Amino acid sequence: EAGVVQSPRYKIIEKKQPVAFWCNPISGHNTLYWYRQNLGQGPELLIRYENEEAVDDSQLPKDRFSAERLKGVDSTLKIQPAELGDSAVYLCASSSGLAEQETQYFGPGTRLLVL
Amino acid sequence: KQEVTQIPAALSVPEGENLVLNCSFTDSAIYNLQWFRQDPGKGLTSLLLIQSSQREQTSGRLNASLDKSSGRSTLYIAASQPGDSATYLCAPNPRGYQKVTFGTGTKLQVIP
Repeated sequence: EAGVVQSPRYKIIEKKQPVAFWCNPISGHNTLYWYRQNLGQGPELLIRYENEEAVDDSQLPKDRFSAERLKGVDSTLKIQPAELGDSAVYLCASSSGLAEQETQYFGPGTRLLVL
Repeated sequence: KQEVTQIPAALSVPEGENLVLNCSFTDSAIYNLQWFRQDPGKGLTSLLLIQSSQREQTSGRLNASLDKSSGRSTLYIAASQPGDSATYLCAPNPRGYQKVTFGTGTKLQVIP
């Protein structure tokens, strides 16, 4: 069974440029998460989807970040415009059911460097 | 707001030693708690998930315990191996549709 797939693995951009990350969850997983992980820290949740619906986006900086999950499968996270402080690893995870009961499976992440 | 602390932040042990990693959390109203490992440049891999009704969970050389009332969990690694070198994170899952909070992790190095 394929795991969570993310692309690109690495991205270097200049500040004020847009950037997008893509995630393909494990087949059949209804719940999808986007996390941001700063160096030396644990992941912090940005947004969680149950199928197509964003059920928790309270930590998403909505002035510059946006996300979508079309057809309840793949998801895209976008930053426009990027700032220096956005440099981090962006992790996607999926689970088959309620977050409270199910293990989350993580992708390898996209490492973003904003210059 | 849930706060999760992991002690120690870093640990270096010789191969073969048994070791304990600690996790404490401030809000004991959790549904379960997960332990993950993260290798450099990689995503997180789930190791163990303990339900709030359980006191411990075992997988191979790993044993995780949970004392929900005191807000503590430990991860015990028996007979450590160099391949165990990684960062270990704990994540208590709250009841309801609230976000999972991760600890900052314990970076483990097992020296051959």
